[in-house]
Amino acid sequence: EIVLTQSPGTLSLSPGERAILSCRASQSVSSHLAWYQQKAGQAPRLLISGASNRATGIPDRFTGSGYGTDFTLTITRLEPEDFAVYYCQQDDRLHRTFGQGTKVEIK
Amino acid sequence: EVQLVESGGGVVRPGGSLRVSCAASGFTFEDHGMSWVRQAPGKGLEWVCGINRDGSSTNYADFVKGRFTVYRDNAKSSLYLQMNSLTAEDTALYHCARVLRGTEATWDVWGQGTTVTVSS
Repeated sequence: EIVLTQSPGTLSLSPGERAILSCRASQSVSSHLAWYQQKAGQAPRLLISGASNRATGIPDRFTGSGYGTDFTLTITRLEPEDFAVYYCQQDDRLHRTFGQGTKVEIK
Repeated sequence: EVQLVESGGGVVRPGGSLRVSCAASGFTFEDHGMSWVRQAPGKGLEWVCGINRDGSSTNYADFVKGRFTVYRDNAKSSLYLQMNSLTAEDTALYHCARVLRGTEATWDVWGQGTTVTVSS
């Protein structure tokens, strides 16, 4: 099973600041990496597929990058609605796995 | 509007069984693979299983251990998860999710989930 490790666990930032979230895979997943946003009481929302492809309707302040084992989600300027939990997920292998999540909270 | 609506959750005793359902609307159901993803209270997301477009291929997380069966009825635009031999560790919100076309298992549409509680 591929283990995805996200860091940091919690990111405390102010609106307008830049957020950088990391996801590291225990084995290469090529570009088969997605990012999701989840707000309290809501279903997850797809942000990024294929490591760097923004999903439909996702603002361009969200950028995904990386390949192989190291991936990054960057939010260039945090808006109030961006404070949430973010998960990475791989679909490279049949047993799909998620990272444990990074919480982006208001400082 | 593209939508997934789960139903069938509830309280079940350890060792019991439950079937949850997912009704799809607003898109051509048979064009997409589907999955179930669960979230235990206060915990992260956990993939449970997936099924391909015509239902001929399925795969499961290791913790399922032959207890769960996923199937679909394309004529009814519905996805199902039959869960047997339930334990307290299966207590979670169960989401169905649509596979984004062109990917193996990236999920672009999610339902709000149905809650399964396993308790005596």
